[in-house]
Amino acid sequence: NAGVTQTPKFQVLKTGQSMTLQCAQDMNHEYMSWYRQDPGMGLRLIHYSVGAGITDQGEVPNGYNVSRSTTEDFPLRLLSAAPSQTSVYFCASRSSGLQNTEAFFGQGTRLTVV
Amino acid sequence: AQKITQTQPGMFVQEKEAVTLDCTYDTSDPSYGLFWYKQPSSGEMIFLIYQGSYDQQNATEGRYSLNFQKARKSANLVISASQLGDSAMYFCAMRGEQAGTALIFGKGTTLSVSS
Repeated sequence: NAGVTQTPKFQVLKTGQSMTLQCAQDMNHEYMSWYRQDPGMGLRLIHYSVGAGITDQGEVPNGYNVSRSTTEDFPLRLLSAAPSQTSVYFCASRSSGLQNTEAFFGQGTRLTVV
Repeated sequence: AQKITQTQPGMFVQEKEAVTLDCTYDTSDPSYGLFWYKQPSSGEMIFLIYQGSYDQQNATEGRYSLNFQKARKSANLVISASQLGDSAMYFCAMRGEQAGTALIFGKGTTLSVSS
């Protein structure tokens, strides 16, 4: 079982560059989300989606865009990278079937903006 | 607004001892769920245990148990008989109030287990 797959695992960007972090899940989960993890800050929610075509902002959405054209994929776009976006990014998915279902996480993408 | 608070940045315990990691939460939703995750140094997020707000009993999963005190809005994780492999970051999280909202996380507690 692949679960949640994030690519790339590591990325270095120059300030001002744009890029897309990929996230795909093969569990047919309706709910998907993106987090960033910074030292001492825990996981902060960037954007989330409750299904194809539906997205919403989380706690720290500025500088990021998302779209959800299929159930499987939920890419995160950095429009113009800034050093403040240096972080570890996690994608997660959850089933909508039961309230107690946990979120499954990808392995993370370590992004450095120089 | 929902909030998860973990007040212990770091905890230290010896092997075979029990340890309690604190978590308090705030929500106006009468129906909510609380989760604990483990993040070892390798970085992956590992689900440990879940407690629903209407569950009558405290959740248990092997050496993990959740001390759920609803009136105090606390959901502390208890790890019995600590092992060296328990050294990791531990996160408490809550299901969002709106259906489909992603989990909201606390800042985490780093647990160090020594021999």
